[in-house]
Amino acid sequence: GQSLEQPSEVTAVEGAIVQINCTYQTSGFYGLSWYQQHDGGAPTFLSYNALDGLEETGRFSSFLSRSDSYGYLLLQELQMKDSASYFCAVLTGGGNKLTFGTGTQLKVEL
Amino acid sequence: KAGVTQTPRYLIKTRGQQVTLSCSPISGHRSVSWYQQTPGQGLQFLFEYFSETQRNKGNFPGRFSGRQFSNSRSEMNVSTLELGDSALYLCASSWGNGGDTQYFGPGTRLTVL
Repeated sequence: GQSLEQPSEVTAVEGAIVQINCTYQTSGFYGLSWYQQHDGGAPTFLSYNALDGLEETGRFSSFLSRSDSYGYLLLQELQMKDSASYFCAVLTGGGNKLTFGTGTQLKVEL
Repeated sequence: KAGVTQTPRYLIKTRGQQVTLSCSPISGHRSVSWYQQTPGQGLQFLFEYFSETQRNKGNFPGRFSGRQFSNSRSEMNVSTLELGDSALYLCASSWGNGGDTQYFGPGTRLTVL
């Protein structure tokens, strides 16, 4: 089966940098995605890594190491609006089947 | 471009009833996936439809079923509802190639009494 582990909660101050780690065990791995979800909202796509290395999109960056079955999401210059849950998800098999981690609740404080 | 829409947004049913949820994908998207989100189990994949065919299936009982129409709109049906089926049901659409970005709709909040 598939399993993903990520911290349940992270707290940081506004303006800081935070890293959310994700380790996975899966078969048929295609790539690792990250989604953000605010309370009461729908998950929104942040990034996707199919190959090893760092992908940067504005204040957010995501990293993947396939050999270590590990990835992380890096959020820089934290803002209050970044307070949300962040999910890593592995894409496996053909098509678009995503298996999600349990989510990390990020709290940004003043 | 309009996003993914889901109807209804909220639904209350009683045990034993059945329910049908609808999802309209982004125009041009051919893949629709369904997920169940609960506080205890998190986000779980139900199934994916592509070009009217089920392409992937999660580990849910046969009471959960779905279909996709020629215009890519999709419906999912849950029969013989149980209390544990209370959840947020999300659909996500994408172009259809593996690894596409999936865009989620706002979800349908189902409460089973």
